[in-house]
Amino acid sequence: AQSVAQPEDQVNVAEGNPLTVKCTYSVSGNPYLFWYVQYPNRGLQFLLKYITGDNLVKGSYGFEAEFNKSQTSFHLKKPSALVSDSALYFCAVRDRLNYGNNRLAFGKGNQVVVIP
Amino acid sequence: ETGVTQTPRHLVMGMTNKKSLKCEQHLGHNAMYWYKQSAKKPLELMFVYNFKEQTENNSVPSRFSPECPNSSHLFLHLHTLQPEDSALYLCASSQDRDSGANVLTFGAGSRLTVL
Repeated sequence: AQSVAQPEDQVNVAEGNPLTVKCTYSVSGNPYLFWYVQYPNRGLQFLLKYITGDNLVKGSYGFEAEFNKSQTSFHLKKPSALVSDSALYFCAVRDRLNYGNNRLAFGKGNQVVVIP
Repeated sequence: ETGVTQTPRHLVMGMTNKKSLKCEQHLGHNAMYWYKQSAKKPLELMFVYNFKEQTENNSVPSRFSPECPNSSHLFLHLHTLQPEDSALYLCASSQDRDSGANVLTFGAGSRLTVL
């Protein structure tokens, strides 16, 4: 079975400081990995994904994530956080061996609070 | 707007009521999904439709009844719900069901409160 762990409920960061949101995953085979963001009163919005190739993936709004197979991690990063980055961030994984029905396993989400 | 529209945005219902949630997508996608979002829990996949055919019911209680009349519309019929069913219900769509790298496009959700 595939699963995602997002260990922190909330991440607080000062505006202008680097932002990191942690994600570790578990799959039987190799993963497809995704990050989604949810702003207040909105649905989830795609940020970036890892399929294959370069371990560093760049996405929307200056976000990037690094795939680390040995640590089974896919942490989301942004060099300089903005107040507008305050939102709920979800990591998701799909097993390449079992992707029928688009079966994504989501984490519980991390609330990011960027302090002015 | 993301291309996936959900109505109503907010719904309050009693345990004996019958109501429906509606989802519409204008993206030309062939797969549609219902998810349940509860605070501090992972998103729960409820139902999957591919080309109007239901391909997954993720052990959802029968008080939730989905309907997909065409690839652009998805409904979730609700009856005799319980207070623990209060949550944000998200509709999503994707190009198809089986491409592993598919990205989901979500609607803004319907916030359901069961009294």
